[in-house]
Amino acid sequence: SQKIEQNSEALNIQEGKTATLTCNYTNYSPAYLQWYRQDPGRGPVFLLLIRENEKEKRKERLKVTFDTTLKQSLFHITASQPADSATYLCALDHQAGTALIFGKGTTLSVSS
Amino acid sequence: EAQVTQNPRYLITVTGKKLTVTCSQNMNHEYMSWYRQDPGLGLRQIYYSMNVEVTDKGDVPEGYKVSRKEKRNFPLILESPSPNQTSLYFCASSLINTEAFFGQGTRLTVV
Repeated sequence: SQKIEQNSEALNIQEGKTATLTCNYTNYSPAYLQWYRQDPGRGPVFLLLIRENEKEKRKERLKVTFDTTLKQSLFHITASQPADSATYLCALDHQAGTALIFGKGTTLSVSS
Repeated sequence: EAQVTQNPRYLITVTGKKLTVTCSQNMNHEYMSWYRQDPGLGLRQIYYSMNVEVTDKGDVPEGYKVSRKEKRNFPLILESPSPNQTSLYFCASSLINTEAFFGQGTRLTVV
């Protein structure tokens, strides 16, 4: 069956450390993978998109990797801050881009 | 300002009373979709539309209808709501194969 899994429901780290979130998928062949941030009761907000032919993408303190052999994406937040506390969702395209399928998310808590 | 606007933000209704949640985007996006989000189940796609008059079912379409008569609007219709449709609903739009923009959400309670 098709699955997209974010390995941790919750991740607690200290301010200044690097947070690493994992997204694994099974029986999909996505052309790209996206990461979103969601705050409680609000809509997801796009962060980064990485295509199947890209190994790594960076934006400020964020870094995403995409390994199509392992069927895995890693999302890193360096020098984390309490303001980074939120739920992070990975999403991949399905059926030639007609559907965006989401993982259940990882809730990150950064303590000062 | 580029945005996706959903209305209403909050709605409490009774079982069986037809309702419509509106969604409008001002970015000229071809692709629009509806999701519901439930604790422990994540975001699940209900319906999507690739363009005007083109709609298709997502993972959980039962009990919902949609229409796409204009490019900017994609309303979600619950003909006969039931308590298991109590959820947080999001509308999203995008160009094909690019980032999605989400609305602010509609929290629906069916009693």
